[in-house]
Amino acid sequence: GDSVTQMEGPVTLSEEAFLTINCTYTATGYPSLFWYVQYPGEGLQLLLKATKADDKGSNKGFEATYRKETTSFHLEKGSVQVSDSAVYFCALSYYGGATNKLIFGTGTLLAVQP
Amino acid sequence: EAGVAQSPRYKIIEKRQSVAFWCNPISGHATLYWYQQILGQGPKLLIQFQNNGVVDDSQLPKDRFSAERLKGVDSTLKIQPAKLEDSAVYLCASSADQGGARWFGEKLFFGSGTQLSVL
Repeated sequence: GDSVTQMEGPVTLSEEAFLTINCTYTATGYPSLFWYVQYPGEGLQLLLKATKADDKGSNKGFEATYRKETTSFHLEKGSVQVSDSAVYFCALSYYGGATNKLIFGTGTLLAVQP
Repeated sequence: EAGVAQSPRYKIIEKRQSVAFWCNPISGHATLYWYQQILGQGPKLLIQFQNNGVVDDSQLPKDRFSAERLKGVDSTLKIQPAKLEDSAVYLCASSADQGGARWFGEKLFFGSGTQLSVL
């Protein structure tokens, strides 16, 4: 079945460092891809999305490109801030029968130190 | 705009006890979801409602879990009896509609969750 694999954390970086969180997926069709973020004590929030191959999603300085040839959707940011500390989830959605399905990866904890 | 409200925030029970979680979705949102997030794993869909009706409950352990959504608004998820492996965060999410496949995931709003510990 469809699935999402993302790098394990925690990822610990110093402020202004470059961030990459790897995400790969397995899908039989043409899913949409997402990155969600969960700040401490808060609910999941959509960070960015890409709905077809070669699309680049971006938001708040984060970027991810939908790479069909490598089945990847890696999250990047050029200069992280302490406020970026959170858990990041890669996810895919597809239409499964009568309903849409949303499948999440296991999450990657990012800790940014001043 | 008020977000998805969930209560309680935390719950600690002993195994074999019962527990219930409550969710109030964003006003006007027709679709409501319950997800289970076990520590170290991504959220997993338990049940999806469209208004009052169940759209998908294929991953709901029906021998112990039940959910209802009365009047197409608030929803309650119940576990009876609880097991140790039910320890998790239970997330409620809502969306305004269920259009084509491509939009899904970008119009989903999550609550802060209820953290359940079963001892």
